[in-house]
Amino acid sequence: GIQVEQSPPDLILQEGANSTLRCNFSDSVNNLQWFHQNPWGQLINLFYIPSGTKQNGRLSATTVATERYSLLYISSSQTTDSGVYFCAVGLITGGGNKLTFGTGTQLKVEL
Amino acid sequence: GAGVSQSPRYKVAKRGQDVALRCDPISGHVSLFWYQQALGQGPEFLTYFQNEAQLDKSGLPSDRFFAERPEGSVSTLKIQRTQQEDSAVYLCASSIDRDAEAFFGQGTRLTVV
Repeated sequence: GIQVEQSPPDLILQEGANSTLRCNFSDSVNNLQWFHQNPWGQLINLFYIPSGTKQNGRLSATTVATERYSLLYISSSQTTDSGVYFCAVGLITGGGNKLTFGTGTQLKVEL
Repeated sequence: GAGVSQSPRYKVAKRGQDVALRCDPISGHVSLFWYQQALGQGPEFLTYFQNEAQLDKSGLPSDRFFAERPEGSVSTLKIQRTQQEDSAVYLCASSIDRDAEAFFGQGTRLTVV
């Protein structure tokens, strides 16, 4: 099956700092999503980004499908950005868009 | 509804007990998925429905796990004779179509004692 690797596994930032999270995947995929899992366990959709670049406020993401990676940029980080960030790649088969998740990046933003 | 709703939020079961977990997808969403998330791990695929048809159950860990979506909306994941290794968060997701963005519910945290 597809392997999804995320780096770094852990990250501690001071409030206001910027960061880049990376997601590498081992094979061609149909789509890719970034999620933020908050401390209460809710997976919050950040981006649906099969290719190209998208921006939403302080967050932006870029996927280069031909090179099998995606990047999530967080600018001017806030304490509410803390949590786990997951990249999930989707492969569409007869069984729908089966998402394979990476192991996540645990982010802690401190004052 | 506004989002994917799951119930109960927390469930404690004695080993050997049967449990049923419910998922209400976003209204109009054709596709429904169940995932299992162990502590410190990313979610892992269990099964997929398109309307009422279960098209993929390759991720179900054993024949003690059973899922249904009889009318193409609400889905139930049933675990028979629960074991300690079944302790995890069970997440439900839905999408408007099979190749669209997936949205997740808050999950049910199952603890088997």
